[in-house]
Amino acid sequence: EAQVTQNPRYLITVTGKKLTVTCSQNMNHEYMSWYRQDPGLGLRQIYYSMNVEVTDKGDVPEGYKVSRKEKRNFPLILESPSPNQTSLYFCATGGAQYGYTFGSGTRLTVV
Amino acid sequence: ELKVEQNPLFLSMQEGKNYTIYCNYSTTSDRLYWYRQDPGKSLESLFVLLSNGAVKQEGRLMASLDTKARLSTLHITAAVHDLSATYFCAAQRAEANSKLTFGKGITLSVRP
Repeated sequence: EAQVTQNPRYLITVTGKKLTVTCSQNMNHEYMSWYRQDPGLGLRQIYYSMNVEVTDKGDVPEGYKVSRKEKRNFPLILESPSPNQTSLYFCATGGAQYGYTFGSGTRLTVV
Repeated sequence: ELKVEQNPLFLSMQEGKNYTIYCNYSTTSDRLYWYRQDPGKSLESLFVLLSNGAVKQEGRLMASLDTKARLSTLHITAAVHDLSATYFCAAQRAEANSKLTFGKGITLSVRP
């Protein structure tokens, strides 16, 4: 079954404690991206990757890092989380022809 | 900068009636996607519209794209309670895998 798997689903952390949200896809897509969803602001792109070792900033990259060492994995790294990064995060993969599949989401709370 | 507007933000629908919701975008975009999101859940892909005049139908939902008017419509036939959810449209420029720009979503509530 085609899947985009994010972990963890829920995370509560403290300000400044580094964390990683993992994203893995079994669909063999080259393109992967991260979005955050906030009430009243909708979904905004954080980073995206067109292929292995190719990443680029989206609209709201500040405070985030990503890496793409393998095609299937695209982790999102928060080196020093702050409360304004409390949000619902989605990883997505796909392509224009068939659309984009989103992971189940990670609800992050930074206190 | 590409902007996507969905109005209204909330729509109360009566069961059995037909409705149309709209998605406007600001600059030339060749692709338009519709997603459904239930509370606390992920986004489920509904339709992929890749060219002017594209029309797709699935069950009670039908989506169309008019790139000249920069408008996509989602038509709901005989609304049922199961269609209650938030519906997002996202526009994308023609460049390969350019980012999706989302509207803020329309929350539909179907009442008996």
